[in-house]
Amino acid sequence: DAGVIQSPRHEVTEMGQEVTLRCKPISGHDYLFWYRQTMMRGLELLIYFNNNVPIDDSGMPEDRFSAKMPNASFSTLKIQPSEPRDSAVYFCASSLASYNEKLFFGSGTQLSVL
Amino acid sequence: GNSVTQMEGPVTLSEEAFLTINCTYTATGYPSLFWYVQYPGEGLQLLLKATKADDKGSNKGFEATYRKETTSFHLEKGSVQVSDSAVYFCALSAYNNNDMRFGAGTRLTVKP
Repeated sequence: DAGVIQSPRHEVTEMGQEVTLRCKPISGHDYLFWYRQTMMRGLELLIYFNNNVPIDDSGMPEDRFSAKMPNASFSTLKIQPSEPRDSAVYFCASSLASYNEKLFFGSGTQLSVL
Repeated sequence: GNSVTQMEGPVTLSEEAFLTINCTYTATGYPSLFWYVQYPGEGLQLLLKATKADDKGSNKGFEATYRKETTSFHLEKGSVQVSDSAVYFCALSAYNNNDMRFGAGTRLTVKP
């Protein structure tokens, strides 16, 4: 299996622009997570899905952020409009059902908002 | 709520030194505990895990024992190598929430 695949690897955009980050989880995994990593705040959970359904989005910073999972093999995280404080590394991760299963992380998207 | 607290870094050691990175947790019930490692430019990857009290997780010379009495899961390695330089994250998942909770991460640098 190719693992969790994220795209793009790097994104540079200007303030106010829309940004879309993409994720393909490992086939057969029931859970998908979006995390954000910054020096100041560490690794923060933004939202997670179970069987394509959003379960907990309490970590989404504000209404500018939205996430979808239209099918079991694809998810997007959208920021509209983007702001410089959104600059971070965004990770997607997936896991099998069950709470004590390990997470498989993608390589992340480095987002820079100028 | 569920959370983990790990020692702040950065930690700098000489090659072959002994490593300890402390991690304590707060959780309802009996969580599973994990250590993840992140190498530069990469995502996190599982290093080891333990799912019940007194379990010892081990991998690549690293060990951690699930101590319910002290709510701890400290990471240890007897002799570190330069290639162990990375950021280490303690994490927890519990039956009452399916998301993984991570500590702040500890950056380890091993010098030759």
